[in-house]
Amino acid sequence: QKEVEQNSGPLSVPEGAIASLNCTYSDRGSQSFFWYRQYSGKSPELIMSIYSNGDKEDGRFTAQLNKASQYVSLLIRDSQPSDSATYLCAVRYSNYQLIWGAGTKLIIKP
Amino acid sequence: DTAVSQTPKYLVTQMGNDKSIKCEQNLGHDTMYWYKQDSKKFLKIMFSYNNKELIINETVPNRFSPKSPDKAHLNLHINSLELGDSAVYFCASSQTFGQGNTAFFGQGTRLTVV
Repeated sequence: QKEVEQNSGPLSVPEGAIASLNCTYSDRGSQSFFWYRQYSGKSPELIMSIYSNGDKEDGRFTAQLNKASQYVSLLIRDSQPSDSATYLCAVRYSNYQLIWGAGTKLIIKP
Repeated sequence: DTAVSQTPKYLVTQMGNDKSIKCEQNLGHDTMYWYKQDSKKFLKIMFSYNNKELIINETVPNRFSPKSPDKAHLNLHINSLELGDSAVYFCASSQTFGQGNTAFFGQGTRLTVV
């Protein structure tokens, strides 16, 4: 059974702080990892993708991947109230199918 | 100009009814998807079509029947609706099947079965 797990939250972070979102996956053969943001009542949108171990930075967002630990995370620096959303982790398996986590609700408090 | 559009946005219906949700994409993508997102926000793929051919059919009751008249359209028909079918259904498309991560999503259809 392929699984992607996330803490459902809510994760509450003060404005300006670093928000850290975590995701674990079950299949060691997974090669591609994605973070989506979903605002309430809206559709998911891709914000980060990562394929190799280490860090990948894009603006205030940093994705971190550790394949040995089967762990991927998303850091949001200088958190803003507009970052308040549910963050979905998705993992692509060898058959190209995406498996999704249930998401972590992030609340940025002004 | 909306890339992936689905209709209706809201659908309230009684148990036992049959309903359809329509989806169209104007991106020229080859692959389209239907996802179901339940009340706990868990997003699960239901079907995927590539160039009008079914390539993913997850464990979905056969009351759900997708239809793709052409690669720009993927409609979802649901027979004999049940309370547990209440969810948000998202249509999505991607350039190719291997690029499912870069899928563009429609705005969702919130289905409520009463």
